[in-house]
Amino acid sequence: EIVLTQSPATLSLSPGERATLSCRASQSVSSYLAWYQQKPGQAPRLLIYDASNRATGIPARFSGSGSGTDFTLTISSLEPEDFAVYYCQQRSNWPPVTFGQGTRLEIK
Amino acid sequence: QVQLVESGGGVVQPGRSLRLSCAASGFSFSSHGMHWVRQAPGKGLEWVAVIWYDGSNKYYPDSVKGRFTISRDNSKNTLYLQMNSLRADDTAVYYCARDLGGVAAAGTLGWFDPWGQGTLVTVSS
Repeated sequence: EIVLTQSPATLSLSPGERATLSCRASQSVSSYLAWYQQKPGQAPRLLIYDASNRATGIPARFSGSGSGTDFTLTISSLEPEDFAVYYCQQRSNWPPVTFGQGTRLEIK
Repeated sequence: QVQLVESGGGVVQPGRSLRLSCAASGFSFSSHGMHWVRQAPGKGLEWVAVIWYDGSNKYYPDSVKGRFTISRDNSKNTLYLQMNSLRADDTAVYYCARDLGGVAAAGTLGWFDPWGQGTLVTVSS
């Protein structure tokens, strides 16, 4: 099973700042990586799939990059509604798919 | 708009069974693979099951294989999850999710979009 490790566990930033979240896979997943956002009490929402493709309706300030084992989600300028938990997910040679443990993005 | 509404959660004793449902609307249900994903209280996400658009393929992780069964009724636009031999560590919010792909696209892709609001299953004596 492919293990995804996200860092940092918690990221404290202010609105308007740039956020960089990392996800590392225990073996190559090619470009088969997605990012999800989850706000308290809500279901997750797909942000990015295939490492760099924005899902429908996702603002351009969200971008994804990487391939192989190292991936990054970047939020170019944080809006108040962006503070949430972010999960990465891989689907290389699925099933199964696996998720990272999450990064909490909190207001500084 | 696409809507997924789960139901059937509740409190159940260890070893008992429960069936979850997910009513879909706003899209061609019979053209998409569907998934169940769960989240234990305060924890991360765990994929539970997938079923192909026509029910021809079903897959599970080892943690639920042999205990859980995913199924669908395309005439009713409804997805199901039959959970047997429930254990305390099955306690979680269970979400249904549509697969991003579809028959007209690239098939069942393993990306989840969108998700329902979830239904809580608590396994406790």
